[in-house]
Amino acid sequence: DAGVIQSPRHEVTEMGQEVTLRCKPISGHNSLFWYRQTMMRGLELLIYFNNNVPIDDSGMPEDRFSAKMPNASFSTLKIQPSEPRDSAVYFCASSSTGKNTIYFGEGSWLTVV
Amino acid sequence: GESVGLHLPTLSVQEGDNSIINCAYSNSASDYFIWYKQESGKGPQFIIDIRSNMDKRQGQRVTVLLNKTVKHLSLQIAATQPGDSAVYFCAEKYSGTYKYIFGTGTRLKVLA
Repeated sequence: DAGVIQSPRHEVTEMGQEVTLRCKPISGHNSLFWYRQTMMRGLELLIYFNNNVPIDDSGMPEDRFSAKMPNASFSTLKIQPSEPRDSAVYFCASSSTGKNTIYFGEGSWLTVV
Repeated sequence: GESVGLHLPTLSVQEGDNSIINCAYSNSASDYFIWYKQESGKGPQFIIDIRSNMDKRQGQRVTVLLNKTVKHLSLQIAATQPGDSAVYFCAEKYSGTYKYIFGTGTRLKVLA
């Protein structure tokens, strides 16, 4: 079975540029999470969707970050404009309501220079 | 220079020995716990889980123990192999919510 699929795997961009990260959750999963991982703060929840609806975006750092889930099989996390402090690994994860286990993608490694 | 950040505790074990990785969780109302393994350059990979109504659960070469009295979780890996080298995270889920809180992780190094 295909797991959570993220793209791009690696991105290097210049400060001020727009970055779009993409995620395809596991088929049949109706909960989707975006996490950010840094050495300083570990894994942090950015936003949680359930049935394509954003339920909790309290972890989104600031207005430069936005996330969408237009359908059950696709989500994006956008940073505009990007800043060097946004450099991190961004993970998408999904789970199925009623089942507690969440499954992670391989991450998008973002470097903003 | 060295970057300031989380200092991961490291556990070094000889190949073939058993490993025990510990985790203290924060919320006595958490009802579900997961151990993840994260290899360099990869995402966290599910290893084993346990519900709060259990004290112990066994998988293949791995056992998770839950002590709710002291809010402690441990992961035991039997006959540790070089492929077990990774960072291991525990995660707790708050009862009735979707929120998972992750520990900072422990780095396991397997010595040949």
